[in-house]
Amino acid sequence: DAKTTQPNSMESNEEEPVHLPCNHSTISGTDYIHWYRQLPSQGPEYVIHGLTSNVNNRMASLAIAEDRKSSTLILHRATLRDAAVYYCILRDRGSQGNLIFGKGTKLSVKP
Amino acid sequence: NAGVTQTPKFQVLKTGQSMTLQCAQDMNHEYMSWYRQDPGMGLRLIHYSVGAGITDQGEVPNGYNVSRSTTEDFPLRLLSAAPSQTSVYFCASSFNRDVEEKLFFGSGTQLSVL
Repeated sequence: DAKTTQPNSMESNEEEPVHLPCNHSTISGTDYIHWYRQLPSQGPEYVIHGLTSNVNNRMASLAIAEDRKSSTLILHRATLRDAAVYYCILRDRGSQGNLIFGKGTKLSVKP
Repeated sequence: NAGVTQTPKFQVLKTGQSMTLQCAQDMNHEYMSWYRQDPGMGLRLIHYSVGAGITDQGEVPNGYNVSRSTTEDFPLRLLSAAPSQTSVYFCASSFNRDVEEKLFFGSGTQLSVL
Protein backbone atom coordinates (compact mmCIF):
# COMPACT_ATOMS: atom_id res chain seq x y z
CA ASP A 1 0.00 0.00 0.00
CA ALA A 2 1.19 3.50 -0.82
CA LYS A 3 2.15 5.55 2.19
CA THR A 4 0.82 8.89 3.42
CA THR A 5 2.60 11.60 5.43
CA GLN A 6 0.73 13.96 7.73
CA PRO A 7 1.85 16.49 10.35
CA ASN A 8 1.67 15.12 13.86
CA SER A 9 -0.44 17.99 15.16
CA MET A 10 -2.15 21.21 14.18
CA GLU A 11 -3.98 23.97 16.01
CA SER A 12 -6.92 26.02 14.93
CA ASN A 13 -9.19 28.68 16.33
CA GLU A 14 -12.88 28.07 16.62
CA GLU A 15 -14.97 29.24 13.66
CA GLU A 16 -11.92 29.57 11.41
CA PRO A 17 -11.17 27.33 8.42
CA VAL A 18 -8.71 24.47 8.85
CA HIS A 19 -6.58 22.94 6.13
CA LEU A 20 -5.17 19.52 6.97
CA PRO A 21 -2.45 18.41 4.52
CA CYS A 22 -1.54 14.92 3.39
CA ASN A 23 1.34 13.90 1.14
CA HIS A 24 1.16 10.69 -0.87
CA SER A 25 3.90 10.95 -3.47
CA THR A 26 3.81 7.23 -4.35
CA ILE A 27 0.07 7.11 -5.01
CA SER A 28 -0.99 4.93 -7.91
CA GLY A 29 -3.56 5.86 -10.50
CA THR A 30 -6.26 3.66 -8.94
CA ASP A 31 -5.74 4.60 -5.27
CA TYR A 32 -8.64 6.40 -3.61
CA ILE A 33 -7.90 9.02 -0.94
CA HIS A 34 -9.98 8.52 2.18
CA TRP A 35 -10.18 10.62 5.35
CA TYR A 36 -11.39 9.39 8.70
CA ARG A 37 -11.37 11.11 12.05
CA GLN A 38 -11.35 9.81 15.59
CA LEU A 39 -12.90 11.88 18.34
CA PRO A 40 -11.57 11.31 21.87
CA SER A 41 -12.59 7.93 23.30
CA GLN A 42 -14.54 6.98 20.17
CA GLY A 43 -14.06 4.80 17.14
CA PRO A 44 -13.02 6.38 13.85
CA GLU A 45 -15.68 7.85 11.60
CA TYR A 46 -15.70 8.40 7.86
CA VAL A 47 -15.24 11.97 6.68
CA ILE A 48 -14.80 12.03 2.91
CA HIS A 49 -13.07 10.34 -0.02
CA GLY A 50 -12.09 11.08 -3.61
CA LEU A 51 -10.09 9.90 -6.60
CA THR A 52 -9.16 12.84 -8.79
CA SER A 53 -11.70 15.64 -8.48
CA ASN A 54 -12.33 17.82 -5.47
CA VAL A 55 -15.19 16.59 -3.30
CA ASN A 56 -17.59 18.29 -0.91
CA ASN A 57 -19.98 16.90 1.66
CA ARG A 58 -21.70 18.20 4.75
CA MET A 59 -18.67 17.54 6.94
CA ALA A 60 -15.76 18.78 4.87
CA SER A 61 -14.16 19.37 1.48
CA LEU A 62 -11.34 17.40 -0.09
CA ALA A 63 -8.96 19.19 -2.42
CA ILE A 64 -6.76 16.88 -4.51
CA ALA A 65 -3.66 18.19 -6.26
CA GLU A 66 -3.58 17.85 -10.02
CA ASP A 67 -0.70 15.34 -9.86
CA ARG A 68 -2.51 13.55 -6.97
CA LYS A 69 0.65 13.51 -4.89
CA SER A 70 -0.99 15.50 -2.15
CA SER A 71 -4.42 16.37 -0.83
CA THR A 72 -5.97 18.69 1.73
CA LEU A 73 -8.93 18.15 3.98
CA ILE A 74 -10.75 21.42 4.56
CA LEU A 75 -13.00 22.09 7.52
CA HIS A 76 -14.73 25.34 6.62
CA ARG A 77 -15.52 26.51 10.14
CA ALA A 78 -13.86 24.58 12.92
CA THR A 79 -15.89 23.89 16.04
CA LEU A 80 -14.73 22.49 19.36
CA ARG A 81 -16.34 19.21 18.34
CA ASP A 82 -13.90 18.94 15.41
CA ALA A 83 -10.98 18.36 17.79
CA ALA A 84 -9.87 14.86 16.80
CA VAL A 85 -7.17 12.81 15.11
CA TYR A 86 -7.56 12.96 11.35
CA TYR A 87 -6.31 10.07 9.24
CA CYS A 88 -5.51 10.29 5.54
CA ILE A 89 -5.62 6.78 4.02
CA LEU A 90 -5.04 5.45 0.52
CA ARG A 91 -7.17 2.53 -0.61
CA ASP A 92 -6.60 0.44 -3.71
CA ARG A 93 -8.82 -2.23 -5.22
CA GLY A 94 -6.58 -4.95 -3.79
CA SER A 95 -7.09 -3.79 -0.22
CA GLN A 96 -9.95 -6.25 0.40
CA GLY A 97 -11.90 -3.48 2.10
CA ASN A 98 -9.20 -2.94 4.72
CA LEU A 99 -7.98 0.44 5.96
CA ILE A 100 -4.30 0.91 6.80
CA PHE A 101 -4.01 3.64 9.40
CA GLY A 102 -0.99 5.84 10.03
CA LYS A 103 -0.64 8.04 13.10
CA GLY A 104 -2.73 10.86 11.67
CA THR A 105 -2.86 14.55 12.59
CA LYS A 106 -4.13 15.58 15.99
CA LEU A 107 -6.20 18.72 15.56
CA SER A 108 -6.73 21.00 18.54
CA VAL A 109 -9.39 23.70 18.35
CA LYS A 110 -9.10 26.72 20.62
CA PRO A 111 -12.21 28.67 21.69
CA ASN B 1 -30.18 2.22 14.03
CA ALA B 2 -27.78 0.37 16.32
CA GLY B 3 -24.96 0.24 13.74
CA VAL B 4 -21.89 -1.63 15.03
CA THR B 5 -22.23 -2.83 18.61
CA GLN B 6 -19.28 -4.00 20.68
CA THR B 7 -19.42 -5.71 24.05
CA PRO B 8 -18.09 -5.43 26.64
CA LYS B 9 -16.90 -1.81 26.81
CA PHE B 10 -14.28 -2.61 29.45
CA GLN B 11 -12.61 -5.84 30.51
CA VAL B 12 -9.78 -6.78 32.84
CA LEU B 13 -8.16 -10.19 32.43
CA LYS B 14 -5.37 -12.06 34.11
CA THR B 15 -2.54 -13.44 32.02
CA GLY B 16 -3.53 -16.79 30.52
CA GLN B 17 -7.28 -16.23 30.70
CA SER B 18 -9.41 -16.51 27.60
CA MET B 19 -12.27 -14.32 26.47
CA THR B 20 -14.35 -13.33 23.49
CA LEU B 21 -14.96 -9.78 22.36
CA GLN B 22 -18.33 -9.52 20.68
CA CYS B 23 -19.14 -7.48 17.59
CA ALA B 24 -22.52 -7.29 15.91
CA GLN B 25 -23.86 -5.14 13.09
CA ASP B 26 -27.45 -4.74 11.94
CA MET B 27 -26.76 -3.19 8.52
CA ASN B 28 -26.44 -6.45 6.55
CA HIS B 29 -22.79 -5.65 5.84
CA GLU B 30 -20.64 -8.26 4.12
CA TYR B 31 -17.30 -6.93 5.34
CA MET B 32 -16.26 -6.90 9.00
CA SER B 33 -12.91 -6.40 10.68
CA TRP B 34 -11.10 -6.06 13.99
CA TYR B 35 -8.47 -3.46 14.81
CA ARG B 36 -6.42 -2.75 17.89
CA GLN B 37 -5.17 0.65 18.95
CA ASP B 38 -2.28 1.14 21.34
CA PRO B 39 -1.62 4.51 23.05
CA GLY B 40 -0.54 7.23 20.63
CA MET B 41 -0.78 4.91 17.67
CA GLY B 42 -3.03 4.45 14.70
CA LEU B 43 -5.23 1.39 14.37
CA ARG B 44 -3.71 -1.94 13.29
CA LEU B 45 -5.73 -4.63 11.52
CA ILE B 46 -6.01 -7.97 13.32
CA HIS B 47 -8.44 -10.06 11.25
CA TYR B 48 -11.10 -9.39 8.68
CA SER B 49 -13.97 -11.14 6.93
CA VAL B 50 -15.44 -10.46 3.50
CA GLY B 51 -18.51 -12.59 4.13
CA ALA B 52 -20.00 -15.34 6.26
CA GLY B 53 -17.65 -18.31 6.44
CA ILE B 54 -14.66 -16.33 5.13
CA THR B 55 -11.94 -14.88 7.35
CA ASP B 56 -8.38 -13.77 6.79
CA GLN B 57 -5.44 -12.39 8.74
CA GLY B 58 -4.46 -8.78 8.97
CA GLU B 59 -1.26 -7.14 10.12
CA VAL B 60 -1.20 -8.43 13.73
CA PRO B 61 -3.17 -11.72 13.93
CA ASN B 62 -1.03 -13.66 16.43
CA GLY B 63 -2.85 -14.54 19.64
CA TYR B 64 -6.31 -13.94 18.18
CA ASN B 65 -8.90 -16.16 16.52
CA VAL B 66 -12.03 -15.22 14.62
CA SER B 67 -14.96 -16.92 12.96
CA ARG B 68 -17.89 -15.63 10.92
CA SER B 69 -20.82 -18.02 11.11
CA THR B 70 -23.45 -15.32 10.44
CA THR B 71 -23.47 -12.05 8.52
CA GLU B 72 -24.26 -10.10 11.68
CA ASP B 73 -21.62 -11.33 14.12
CA PHE B 74 -17.82 -11.36 14.10
CA PRO B 75 -16.41 -12.35 17.51
CA LEU B 76 -12.72 -11.98 18.38
CA ARG B 77 -11.26 -14.65 20.67
CA LEU B 78 -8.21 -14.33 22.87
CA LEU B 79 -7.19 -17.89 23.70
CA SER B 80 -4.54 -17.10 26.32
CA ALA B 81 -4.36 -13.41 27.14
CA ALA B 82 -0.95 -11.73 27.46
CA PRO B 83 -0.06 -8.25 28.80
CA SER B 84 0.97 -7.29 25.24
CA GLN B 85 -2.70 -7.60 24.27
CA THR B 86 -3.65 -4.70 26.53
CA SER B 87 -5.21 -2.31 24.04
CA VAL B 88 -8.42 -0.77 22.77
CA TYR B 89 -10.17 -2.97 20.24
CA PHE B 90 -12.42 -1.67 17.49
CA CYS B 91 -14.74 -3.59 15.24
CA ALA B 92 -15.70 -2.15 11.86
CA SER B 93 -18.03 -3.08 9.03
CA SER B 94 -18.91 -1.95 5.53
CA PHE B 95 -21.47 -2.96 2.93
CA ASN B 96 -18.82 -4.74 0.93
CA ARG B 97 -15.08 -4.53 0.27
CA ASP B 98 -15.41 -2.04 -2.56
CA VAL B 99 -12.71 0.60 -2.42
CA GLU B 100 -15.28 3.40 -2.19
CA GLU B 101 -17.32 1.94 0.66
CA LYS B 102 -17.13 3.69 4.01
CA LEU B 103 -16.36 1.74 7.16
CA PHE B 104 -18.51 2.06 10.26
CA PHE B 105 -16.75 1.56 13.58
CA GLY B 106 -17.97 0.46 16.97
CA SER B 107 -17.24 2.42 20.12
CA GLY B 108 -14.46 0.08 21.22
CA THR B 109 -13.57 -2.38 23.97
CA GLN B 110 -10.84 -1.34 26.39
CA LEU B 111 -8.96 -4.47 27.47
CA SER B 112 -6.37 -4.68 30.25
CA VAL B 113 -4.36 -7.86 30.79
CA LEU B 114 -2.59 -8.03 34.14
